[in-house]
Amino acid sequence: QQPVQSPQAVILREGEDAVINCSSSKALYSVHWYRQKHGEAPVFLMILLKGGEQKGHEKISASFNEKKQQSSLYLTASQLSYSGTYFCGTERGYGGSQGNLIFGKGTKLSVKP
Amino acid sequence: NAGVTQTPKFRILKIGQSMTLQCTQDMNHNYMYWYRQDPGMGLKLIYYSVGAGITDKGEVPNGYNVSRSTTEDFPLRLELAAPSQTSVYFCASSYGTINSPLHFGNGTRLTVT
Repeated sequence: QQPVQSPQAVILREGEDAVINCSSSKALYSVHWYRQKHGEAPVFLMILLKGGEQKGHEKISASFNEKKQQSSLYLTASQLSYSGTYFCGTERGYGGSQGNLIFGKGTKLSVKP
Repeated sequence: NAGVTQTPKFRILKIGQSMTLQCTQDMNHNYMYWYRQDPGMGLKLIYYSVGAGITDKGEVPNGYNVSRSTTEDFPLRLELAAPSQTSVYFCASSYGTINSPLHFGNGTRLTVT
């Protein structure tokens, strides 16, 4: 039941946009997004909740389509600092979240000057 | 603010040895987690705890043990280390509600040879 992320990797030039998708085979109540830079811990970006609005963080925003059991992360006008691996996490339990997440395999984003 | 602190940062073990990975948090979070991260595989949940005295298995618990005697501490014990346990281990904590992010420690890089 691991969520599936796509693409696996993407290379951008500074200023370009990217979309990272996260799909699940089961109903979702929430989707977490984290970014991890090489050799560092994952850092929280945002949580999307069922019935909630699209979230934003700087020029990074995300949407949550409950019917499609899918979330997308949008990176606009990418900066060098956006480089890293992006993970989505979906809750393991049924119903509300206990923060007990299953993570996708990650999408490696490289932003070049 | 210390957040989530893990020790040690690096460790090399011989096959069959045992060790304890330490994790402590100062945010008064009830929920704590141990994940392992292997290249290209995302984060896999080993064990989690919803409060002092309560622990439960995650996706990949074999070969590990945990205890939770206090709210702050959640040590992970490896008994009879095997090469398959070579990985980066992350401890995390959260309030455990549906909109609570995970706060990760900086990780422990373990090599078993």
